[in-house]
Amino acid sequence: SQTIHQWPATLVQPVGSPLSLECTVEGTSNPNLYWYRQAAGRGLQLLFYSVGIGQISSEVPQNLSASRPQDRQFILSSKKLLLSDSGFYLCAWSVGNTQPQHFGDGTRLSIL
Amino acid sequence: DAKTTQPPSMDCAEGRAANLPCNHSTISGNEYVYWYRQIHSQGPQYIIHGLKNNETNEMASLIITEDRKSSTLILPHATLRDTAVYYCIVRVERESGGGADGLTFGKGTHLIIQP
Repeated sequence: SQTIHQWPATLVQPVGSPLSLECTVEGTSNPNLYWYRQAAGRGLQLLFYSVGIGQISSEVPQNLSASRPQDRQFILSSKKLLLSDSGFYLCAWSVGNTQPQHFGDGTRLSIL
Repeated sequence: DAKTTQPPSMDCAEGRAANLPCNHSTISGNEYVYWYRQIHSQGPQYIIHGLKNNETNEMASLIITEDRKSSTLILPHATLRDTAVYYCIVRVERESGGGADGLTFGKGTHLIIQP
């Protein structure tokens, strides 16, 4: 069966520091991969999605970037974090365009 | 993707069926209805989805009206662990190879199961 792993579960970082969040999927090949952010009390916002290695689409302009170095690995990065980057970051995967997306347990990021 | 309307909150007694409504009056013919739930501090969990016919799985049943303008998610025997925010989402079917598409989550229904 397929599983998705995100780490770390929680992270506290100072303003201006770099960021790297990792997501890996097991048990499937060539998945679509997604990064979402959920700000406190708000809905999920799609940040990036990827349909294959090295293929990244960005949904909103922001301080973050994403990369997909391997088929089942998706990384969210920033060179310099801002206070507004705080939130709950979720990775998801799907296969095909009518199949459901399945989410990881998320990373709660706090910027001080 | 079409917009959905859900009540902000609902209560249900433990052991009873929880019926969560969703209106999607502008749904188009190629849009599926998806249901997810999010328990506090966890990622959203997929529950069920359907296009026209009613669907059932081990978690829930999905009843879609004949005109497809509304649907109901049914949790047949609610437990305390079913307390969560439930999201109804409509999503267009894309051609294979047509790229991925994000889900648009609204505010959902906060379902509280009472002991």
